Amino acid sequence: AQSVAQPEDQVNVAEGNPLTVKCTYSVSGNPYLFWYVQYPNRGLQFLLKYITGDNLVKGSYGFEAEFNKSQTSFHLKKPSALVSDSALYFCAVRDILMDSSYKLIFGSGTRLLVRP
Amino acid sequence: DAGVIQSPRHEVTEMGQEVTLRCKPISGHNSLFWYRQTMMRGLELLIYFNNNVPIDDSGMPEDRFSAKMPNASFSTLKIQPSEPRDSAVYFCASSFRAGTYEQYFGPGTRLTVT
Repeated sequence: AQSVAQPEDQVNVAEGNPLTVKCTYSVSGNPYLFWYVQYPNRGLQFLLKYITGDNLVKGSYGFEAEFNKSQTSFHLKKPSALVSDSALYFCAVRDILMDSSYKLIFGSGTRLLVRP
Repeated sequence: DAGVIQSPRHEVTEMGQEVTLRCKPISGHNSLFWYRQTMMRGLELLIYFNNNVPIDDSGMPEDRFSAKMPNASFSTLKIQPSEPRDSAVYFCASSFRAGTYEQYFGPGTRLTVT
């Protein structure tokens, strides 16, 4: 079965410093990987995805993610954190079912706190 | 595009009452998902539909929960009777099945059962 793991419940960084939010995956076949962000009292917002191609994927709000097949990782990164980046971040993997329908398997979420 | 629309945004009800949550997916999307989010259990997939047909409802916690999708532009999640442990934020999401699978979430319904 497909799965993702987010090993950190919380990540703390200072504004202006680079940030990394970690995600590892376990899939059979080619992985389709996603990052979502959830701001307080809001729904999840799609940030970026990896389907195929370049291992470095760029997304919204200056975020990027690096796909690493050998380490089965898909870490979210940003060169310079902003206080407004403070939110809950979810990694997800696509799970294709026998009838070609699909769902996303979400990680447990990582809370990012950027201090001024 | 208006995005995924959910109503109501907040619902407070008493234990034993029926609760109906509503969702309008993005026009043209043919997959719809209902999630529940709590501090204790995180984000849980309850049920999802493809082309208005329920595909997997294994995440529905009990028979008190039911979901319908009578047409491509409307879905409901009903809890009858409601219990305090059903208090959570319920999200609806939609996607285009033949696309690259990202889901678009609504703003959620915060349900409080007293």
